[in-house]
Amino acid sequence: DIQMTQSPSTLSASVGDRVTITCRASQSISSWLAWFQQKPGKAPKLLIYKASSLESGVPSRFSGSGSGTEFILTISSLQPDDFATYYCQQYNSQATFGQGTKVEIK
Amino acid sequence: QLQLQESGPGLVKPSETLSLTCTVSGGSIRNNNYYWGWIRQPPGKGLEWIGSIYYSGSTYYNPSLKSRVTMSVDTSKNQFSLKLSSVTAADTAVYYCARRDCGGGACSAYLFDYWGQGTLVTVSS
Repeated sequence: DIQMTQSPSTLSASVGDRVTITCRASQSISSWLAWFQQKPGKAPKLLIYKASSLESGVPSRFSGSGSGTEFILTISSLQPDDFATYYCQQYNSQATFGQGTKVEIK
Repeated sequence: QLQLQESGPGLVKPSETLSLTCTVSGGSIRNNNYYWGWIRQPPGKGLEWIGSIYYSGSTYYNPSLKSRVTMSVDTSKNQFSLKLSSVTAADTAVYYCARRDCGGGACSAYLFDYWGQGTLVTVSS
């Protein structure tokens, strides 16, 4: 099965910062990669699918890039509502998630 | 507006079978554009896909859980269900039901764009 590894595990940032989170797959998954945002006590929310396609209703400050085995989620200017945990998920071969990256207030 | 609501016992004894139901409202489970699925999250940990099902009954299970998982659809009640047998403490988690809208085209059964609020199931004697 395909393993997904995110880095960093925790990220401290300030409002207005540009934030990047990396996700690596143990083998090529083409562009079959999604990003989710999860807040405490809430269900995950789909942000990006197919590596770089923005889900409807998601602010344009979120963007995704990459293909093959390395992917990046970028938040161009961090907003107060963005402090949360972010997960990548591959869906090239069934489904596996990364371990998560917590974005916390610096 | 689609709504998904998980229901079932919040406490299950070790070695017994965990049974959960997801009730779909605001949409039909028979919609041929949708896949339905279950994902779980142990307290303080990451997400694990359990399985996916189509309204016709076609199922796709996580290989690591396949021997213990059964998913089914009840179109008359607009519900789908999860059964996980021989549970242990490691199965303690928040269980989410979810939907994938394929929007009329081909899509993956393994990516979900709409999730229920989740229900905590604790395995303990």
